[in-house]
Amino acid sequence: QVQLVESGGGVVQPGRSLRLSCAASGSTFSNYGMYWVRQAPGKGLEWVAVIWYDGSNKYYADSVKGRVTISRDNSKNTLYLQMDSLRTEDTAVYYCARDNWSYARGALDSWGQGTLVTVSS
Amino acid sequence: QSVLTQPPSASGTPGQRVTISCSGSSSNIGSNTVNWYQQLPGTAPKFLIYSNNQRPSGVPDRFSGSKSGASASLAISGLQSEDEADYYCTAWDDSLNRVVFGGGTKLTVL
Repeated sequence: QVQLVESGGGVVQPGRSLRLSCAASGSTFSNYGMYWVRQAPGKGLEWVAVIWYDGSNKYYADSVKGRVTISRDNSKNTLYLQMDSLRTEDTAVYYCARDNWSYARGALDSWGQGTLVTVSS
Repeated sequence: QSVLTQPPSASGTPGQRVTISCSGSSSNIGSNTVNWYQQLPGTAPKFLIYSNNQRPSGVPDRFSGSKSGASASLAISGLQSEDEADYYCTAWDDSLNRVVFGGGTKLTVL
């Protein structure tokens, strides 16, 4: 059973940076595309970024494009989200999720517990 | 603004059957399968339905899904108080080359 554990969240001032991590265990990490999805307080899920299983393709939501970089280290079974120039509207719980094509394209079958990022002065 | 459209709320009484809709376009639901997720208060989303109408292991058969054209539905029969949650639909989008989300539907069990 796969387990995803996010870390790196916290309180940060506007304009500063933060790096989130998502450690995977229990499955072959390098076989799966990975997503970052966030949820602002009281709001719905918002896709942030996706990276292909081998890191060859990356896509970003318009709301974070140019400020965020998704990456992965398959040798460490870890997904990352580097967040720069943070804004108050980036305040959210950030989830990593696994895209398992053995179910269907875009089937996010496993989710981490989330890490809270609060951007505030 | 979410790519897929869901009603913001739905409600039902215990034992009732409720449905939640999800509409998209030809580039997502119209040409790909739909997945559904349940998010209980204060928890991470849970994988509920995949490929329009398939249930992962452990999901009760009270939950079912369907798709027609560029729209899909989630049905919950024999509604229980523990079904009170937010429900999200997703689908692969061929134009965007990624998963797209619905805005979520808050289900209240009266």
